[in-house]
Amino acid sequence: EAQVTQNPRYLITVTGKKLTVTCSQNMNHEYMSWYRQDPGLGLRQIYYSMNVEVTDKGDVPEGYKVSRKEKRNFPLILESPSPNQTSLYFCASSLYPWDTEAFFGQGTRLTVV
Amino acid sequence: QKEVEQNSGPLSVPEGAIASLNCTYSDRGSQSFFWYRQYSGKSPELIMSIYSNGDKEDGRFTAQLNKASQYVSLLIRDSQPSDSATYLCAVTSSASKIIFGSGTRLSIRP
Repeated sequence: EAQVTQNPRYLITVTGKKLTVTCSQNMNHEYMSWYRQDPGLGLRQIYYSMNVEVTDKGDVPEGYKVSRKEKRNFPLILESPSPNQTSLYFCASSLYPWDTEAFFGQGTRLTVV
Repeated sequence: QKEVEQNSGPLSVPEGAIASLNCTYSDRGSQSFFWYRQYSGKSPELIMSIYSNGDKEDGRFTAQLNKASQYVSLLIRDSQPSDSATYLCAVTSSASKIIFGSGTRLSIRP
């Protein structure tokens, strides 16, 4: 089954404690991206990757890091989380950014206290 | 000015009627346009994509694109209660970023 898998689904952490949210896709997609969704603001792109070792900033990259060492995995790293990073996060993949077949993960609800 | 703008709604439409959702964008270099549906607490799911001016129909859904006016719309015919959701417009910018609007909440009333 074609899917994008994010883990964990829910996470509560404390300010400053490094965390990683994993994302994996099994469709051999080139393009992967991370979004955060906040009420009234829609989905905002954090980082995206066109291929292995190729990553670029989206609209809200501050406070986040990503890596793309393998095609299937695109982890999101928060080195020092802060309360304003409390949000719902989605990972997504598609063959290309303009591709019809875009798949989203189940979402990760992160709370930073 | 936001890069992709949508009316937040809620848009209330009677069952069986046509729901019309609109979206405007600012980057004239945009080439790809998408409509996603998102139920509360769930992931967005792609329902329509459109790349050239004009209309594109898929079942009860019709996407319309007008690049000169920089708007894209989604029509849902014969609206059903299951269509009640938030609809997100997304545009691929000339820099390969995907930019989403803030979404329009659609409510289909019986």
